[in-house]
Amino acid sequence: DTAVSQTPKYLVTQMGNDKSIKCEQNLGHDTMYWYKQDSKKFLKIMFSYNNKELIINETVPNRFSPKSPDKAHLNLHINSLELGDSAVYFCASSQKGGEPQHFGDGTRLSIL
Amino acid sequence: AQSVTQLDSQVPVFEEAPVELRCNYSSSVSVYLFWYVQYPNQGLQLLLKYLSGSTLVKGINGFEAEFNKSQTSFHLRKPSVHISDTAEYFCAVRPTSGTYKYIFGTGTRLKVLA
Repeated sequence: DTAVSQTPKYLVTQMGNDKSIKCEQNLGHDTMYWYKQDSKKFLKIMFSYNNKELIINETVPNRFSPKSPDKAHLNLHINSLELGDSAVYFCASSQKGGEPQHFGDGTRLSIL
Repeated sequence: AQSVTQLDSQVPVFEEAPVELRCNYSSSVSVYLFWYVQYPNQGLQLLLKYLSGSTLVKGINGFEAEFNKSQTSFHLRKPSVHISDTAEYFCAVRPTSGTYKYIFGTGTRLKVLA
């Protein structure tokens, strides 16, 4: 039973399109995250929600909009996709204290 | 603010040899420390974590790490590596209170050679 699941696993689309990535966790964690991993494997945090409240919002273009309908779900919507958005996007979740993050398998986004 | 430095971007090592992957961090507050491994086309998996107590922590797959507060380091070691250990390894820190923000290093690619 997958702890953090993301869909889709692969996303290939044209520049200018709008797309969404969904994430769900069944660990009962309060906090969820979106990360972007570039081609050099650098992992950069984008957003974090705690109990549906936005708590981390890094310098990300406003074309990216997260949405958390409940604490088990965190979706990422991207408007007007650009070539530079090509990357692997990871969802993660964690609990308070020293609990480490649990990661999904990633969504590989390719912009043509 | 916190930062994590992994000085070695790539570490080649022969099978059954020992390996050490270096991690140094900077923080004005106390932090939890983590090592994650990423196999090709997969997400990150936790190898081990340091929260408090003994500075030597043991993780999965025979890995261990030692927290050195004076040198602000958390180096990862394995006495004998296998081909299957070939992967990307990430060191990360998170403040013990306040923000939920994890800071990751840039990763070290471990390549185990036959």
